Amino acid sequence: AQSVTQLDSQVPVFEEAPVELRCNYSSSVSVYLFWYVQYPNQGLQLLLKYLSGSTLVKGINGFEAEFNKSQTSFHLRKPSVHISDTAEYFCAVSGLNNNDMRFGAGTRLTVKP
Amino acid sequence: EAGVTQSPTHLIKTRGQQATLRCSPISGHTSVYWYQQALGLGLQFLLWYDEGEERNRGNFPPRFSGRQFPNYSSELNVNALELEDSALYLCASSRRGGSSYNEQFFGPGTRLTVL
Repeated sequence: AQSVTQLDSQVPVFEEAPVELRCNYSSSVSVYLFWYVQYPNQGLQLLLKYLSGSTLVKGINGFEAEFNKSQTSFHLRKPSVHISDTAEYFCAVSGLNNNDMRFGAGTRLTVKP
Repeated sequence: EAGVTQSPTHLIKTRGQQATLRCSPISGHTSVYWYQQALGLGLQFLLWYDEGEERNRGNFPPRFSGRQFPNYSSELNVNALELEDSALYLCASSRRGGSSYNEQFFGPGTRLTVL
């Protein structure tokens, strides 16, 4: 089975600063990788996904992530954050059948003015 | 197109009672997934239903069960509630799972509080 570790439970950052949210996964088979965002009192929204092909994946709201197979990582980055990016971010992994998605514990991003 | 809907929004029960949570998938989706989001534990995969059958199950006791109806809506039942069952329960739907990639779309969740 696959598993995910999000290395930071909380990341505080000032507005317009760059941010990186770290994610490492474990799997013995090929995987799909995802980042989801959860705003307060809402469900999850897909930010971006890696299925195959280019290891640099661009998503919504200016976020991007890079799949690194050798380091089994899928870190999320944004060059300049906004107050509105304050939310909980979840990294997730699934096998290629995508019916058993495993989530990390989440990283709370707080953007301060 | 309407998204995934869940009811009720909030549910308060006492220990030992049963809770029933409901989910309506996006039109055209046949797969429904249930997740538990307990405080500090992230999201844990509970159950996957497709075409009316339970296809996969996470590491939860049998008192967590559910079903999928012919219209593809789903119920999650939690029997003999325990305090640690307090959590946000998220439902997601996708086109038929089990083959290639089908994006899961999430509902807003049902917040279950066990007193």
